[in-house]
This record gives sequence, C-alpha cells and structure tokens, in this order.
Amino acid sequence: AQSVTQLDSHVSVSEGTPVLLRCNYSSSYSPSLFWYVQHPNKGLQLLLKYTSAATLVKGINGFEAEFKKSETSFHLTKPSAHMSDAAEYFCVVSGYTGRRALTFGSGTRLQVQP
Amino acid sequence: NAGVTQTPKFQVLKTGQSMTLQCAQDMNHEYMSWYRQDPGMGLRLIHYSVGAGITDQGEVPNGYNVSRSTTEDFPLRLLSAAPSQTSVYFCASSYSGTGGNTEAFFGQGTRLTVV
Repeated sequence: AQSVTQLDSHVSVSEGTPVLLRCNYSSSYSPSLFWYVQHPNKGLQLLLKYTSAATLVKGINGFEAEFKKSETSFHLTKPSAHMSDAAEYFCVVSGYTGRRALTFGSGTRLQVQP
Repeated sequence: NAGVTQTPKFQVLKTGQSMTLQCAQDMNHEYMSWYRQDPGMGLRLIHYSVGAGITDQGEVPNGYNVSRSTTEDFPLRLLSAAPSQTSVYFCASSYSGTGGNTEAFFGQGTRLTVV
C-alpha cells in the first residue's frame, strides 16, 4: 500500500521569497517519488523525480526536492518565487511493483503575491 | 511526437448516456492509465493497463470500462453517465525503466459534465 500527504492545501508567498511545499509519503516498497505542476486548465507537467539515485533532486525552473527516508518526506523547494510559479503542485508516489500506478497527494495551490 | 492525445477536450452528457473518451500515445509505452481529477482530491486511478490485452481496475473503477487492443490506444467508456462522473479525466502513459519507476506522461485532459 502507498499514500501521500501534502501538508498544506494552500501556500502564499511573495515574489522573490523562498517556496516550501511539504510532502510525506508511505510505501511498502522502495518508492519512486515525483512532483508535478498543473497550471490552470492545463495538463500535468513533471517538475522532478526521485528514483533511488541522489537524494537531492534538481528539477526544472529552479525547483528541487530532497528525499529523506528517515522522515518519509519529499519536500519541494525553490529559493526565489516567480509570478509564473503560481499553480497547483502534486506530490506523487509510485511503489516498485508491476502495477506502476501513481498515487497522488491532494495538491497544494501556490499563490505568488507581487 | 505528439505524446499523449486525448479527445474530446470538453463534453456535456445527459444522465444515462454513454460515451467513450479516447486516448492515444505514440511513444510505444507499455503502461497506460486513466485518472479522474476532482477538487481537493488530487488524481485518482480509474483503470490501468500494463500492455495490449491486459487491463485491471484502479481505485475508482465503478461505472467505467476499458480495453486495450493495441499498444497505442486506451479508450475509457462510460456505460451510463451519472452526475457523480462530472470530473476532469486524464490519460497517462509510462515505460519500463531501470532503477525504479519512470514518470508518467499525461494528456491535456477531458472536462466532462453530466447533467
């Protein structure tokens, strides 16, 4: 069994300040973890992924995430928010099974204030 | 490459009608799946397929059927539409990778309203 908890449904930051979106996961297997972003009325775009290589993962648009097994966390960060970062962000886990289905968190809506 | 293509983008159905949401991918991915997105609930898995001729149920399969006769296509059928099926539907595909699961590639979604 696997599950994902995104600890904040909404996060609001000012442009130029750091972003932290929190994610905890549970998985019976060594998980693969992903962050996806969804802009309004758009599809889902992969930001970054962890698949048992380096624990600090760098993604697109300056985002990065750190896999912490002891804390079962995979928080997403960015040093300086941009207005274009305003979107919904999903933390996703995939257990290493033949099923390869993804389990999504409920999402965090990031608002960036000018 | 077009990636994952979903049609239609928008659809309005009356309660009790049936329809098929189309999904096609041109990346030769063996894994395909359907999700529905509802506010505050993320995406939930409806059905998935690990290859042509092989399908299985996900988290919320009731009211939906799938089949996979080719690697490229994975249609989702609504048998008798209900207002509870009003949602945004996403099709996704992925491939086998070493060292862990690979990411899924998503279509642009189908916004379905059942009245």
